[in-house]
Amino acid sequence: DAGVIQSPRHEVTEMGQEVTLRCKPISGHNSLFWYRQTMMRGLELLIYFNNNVPIDDSGMPEDRFSAKMPNASFSTLKIQPSEPRDSAVYFCASSFSSGQATPEAFFGQGTRLTVV
Amino acid sequence: AQKVTQAQTEISVVEKEDVTLDCVYETRDTTYYLFWYKQPPSGELVFLIRRNSFDEQNEISGRYSWNFQKSTSSFNFTITASQVVDSAVYFCALSEAYTGNQFYFGTGTSLTVIP
Repeated sequence: DAGVIQSPRHEVTEMGQEVTLRCKPISGHNSLFWYRQTMMRGLELLIYFNNNVPIDDSGMPEDRFSAKMPNASFSTLKIQPSEPRDSAVYFCASSFSSGQATPEAFFGQGTRLTVV
Repeated sequence: AQKVTQAQTEISVVEKEDVTLDCVYETRDTTYYLFWYKQPPSGELVFLIRRNSFDEQNEISGRYSWNFQKSTSSFNFTITASQVVDSAVYFCALSEAYTGNQFYFGTGTSLTVIP
């Protein structure tokens, strides 16, 4: 089975440019998460969706960040305009939740973003 | 306040030694879940184990074992007879029932196994 698929794997962009990161969750999973990993802050949850609906976006740093999940098999994280401090590895993860219990989440390979 | 504390930033061991990675968590919830993930040098996060707060039984999977103690709020991870392939950053994470599916990750422990 294919795992969580993220694209691109690496992205280098100039400050001020728009960046779009993409994620295809595991088929059948109904929760999707976007995380950011930096040396300074570790793994931070940016936003998560349940059944394509954003549940908690309190981790989104500022208005420059936006995330969408138009359907169960695709999500995007957009940064506009990008800034050097956005440089990080962005992970997408998905899980299947059937009730109160928190299931394990499966992570993609991440997108390494460098903003110069 | 940090919900998950991994006090060991870096650990180095010689191959075949046993090593224990510590994880201490903090929660007021009675229903919660604990996880361990491995991040090898290639960068992906690999799920290792999930444990709920009502199950304090220790678990063993091959060379890996986990010790969950609610009395000390700890969920420690032991690798027996370590191998070079175990070199990675290991993350402990907590999810609380009242906050839904959000994971709180610790800062990770970087393990280096020296051949």
